[in-house]
Amino acid sequence: DTAVSQTPKYLVTQMGNDKSIKCEQNLGHDTMYWYKQDSKKFLKIMFSYNNKELIINETVPNRFSPKSPDKAHLNLHINSLELGDSAVYFCASSRGQSGELFFGEGSRLTVL
Amino acid sequence: QQQVKQSPQSLIVQKGGISIINCAYENTAFDYFPWYQQFPGKGPALLIAIRPDVSEKKEGRFTISFNKSAKQFSLHIMDSQPGDSATYFCAAEGSPYSGAGSYQLTFGKGTKLSVIP
Repeated sequence: DTAVSQTPKYLVTQMGNDKSIKCEQNLGHDTMYWYKQDSKKFLKIMFSYNNKELIINETVPNRFSPKSPDKAHLNLHINSLELGDSAVYFCASSRGQSGELFFGEGSRLTVL
Repeated sequence: QQQVKQSPQSLIVQKGGISIINCAYENTAFDYFPWYQQFPGKGPALLIAIRPDVSEKKEGRFTISFNKSAKQFSLHIMDSQPGDSATYFCAAEGSPYSGAGSYQLTFGKGTKLSVIP
């Protein structure tokens, strides 16, 4: 059983399109995150939700909108995709607001 | 502002050698220092972590050395193996209890380790 699963694994789309990435965790964790990893492997936090409540919202364009329908799910919707959005997006979860992060396998987004 | 500086960017080590990756931080409110290991095509996974009340933590071939006064910590991989080839990230986290205001993990930029036979 995959602890943190995200879909799709690969996403290729044109500039200007809207796309979503879904994430689910079956670990019973309270906190979920979205991270962006660029081509140089730098990991940067985008959002964090604790019990469905947004607690971290880094300086991210408002074209990115997270949605947490319940504790086990955190989806990421991206409007008007730009070339610079190309990256690997990782979903992660943790038991509380601190401690070990469990990452999904990533969703590679390529914007053409 | 990069709060956690990691070096080197890449490292090549012979099988059986010692791999050493260094990190330095600026925020004295950080009180949790994990290392994550990432294999190609996978998400990062926690390898080992330390809190500043100890100067060293060892788990198998992996050791964290922590120098609070210098605000530095390092990962040592003894008897490095080809299977250790991966990207390693140091990270640092503060908490409301340590004066950081909130929990937030800050990653270093990563070190790509290649262990050659």
